[in-house]
Amino acid sequence: GAVVSQHPSRVICKSGTSVKIECRSLDFQATTMFWYRQFPKQSLMLMATSNEGSKATYEQGVEKDKFLINHASLTLSTLTVTSAHPEDSSFYICSATVLGETQYFGPGTRLLVL
Amino acid sequence: AQTVTQSQPEMSVQEAETVTLSCTYDTSESDYYLFWYKQPPSRQMILVIRQEAYKQQNATENRFSVNFQKAAKSFSLKISDSQLGDAAMYFCAYRSPYSGGGADGLTFGKGTHLIIQP
Repeated sequence: GAVVSQHPSRVICKSGTSVKIECRSLDFQATTMFWYRQFPKQSLMLMATSNEGSKATYEQGVEKDKFLINHASLTLSTLTVTSAHPEDSSFYICSATVLGETQYFGPGTRLLVL
Repeated sequence: AQTVTQSQPEMSVQEAETVTLSCTYDTSESDYYLFWYKQPPSRQMILVIRQEAYKQQNATENRFSVNFQKAAKSFSLKISDSQLGDAAMYFCAYRSPYSGGGADGLTFGKGTHLIIQP
């Protein structure tokens, strides 16, 4: 149980385009989903917290107009990187939780912006 | 804001031996959760063990155990009988308690790269 999927697992895009990443909880309903970013050989940094049906809460320094988060249902959250640039290249990981208990992580999405 | 510090960028241990990974944290909260996550080369984050701060008893999961020292704000992970499959990055993480207003994200340390020598 407690499986979280992400799609796509890897994406390459041109600078200036937008990319959407999906995060799904497959066998449970997640009250909250989180988006993290991990640069090579570094730790995970929380980008935003997403509660179903409400606006996402962004961490300091994360541009909400650049990283659009939609949490339309209890099993799906999407992260859209708008007007992507090479510095947005990173590993994006989502996690999901039920009422603040243990967070279950997706397998991550590797984004490369050329 | 909470901070998590892992002072060992890399640790190496012989297979079947025991190794301890260090983690300290800083918080003004009295109740919280601590975690150790494992990230193998696949980069999938895997929960190793969790500890609730209100519990005095140290958490144990098979070969993995923690030494939780609340007053010292220390949370080390001991891996007994190390196996080749234990090789990975290990991250210590902190989370505030669920407040009803929404869950909090995790604050991670920088990680420790664990190498298992055959």
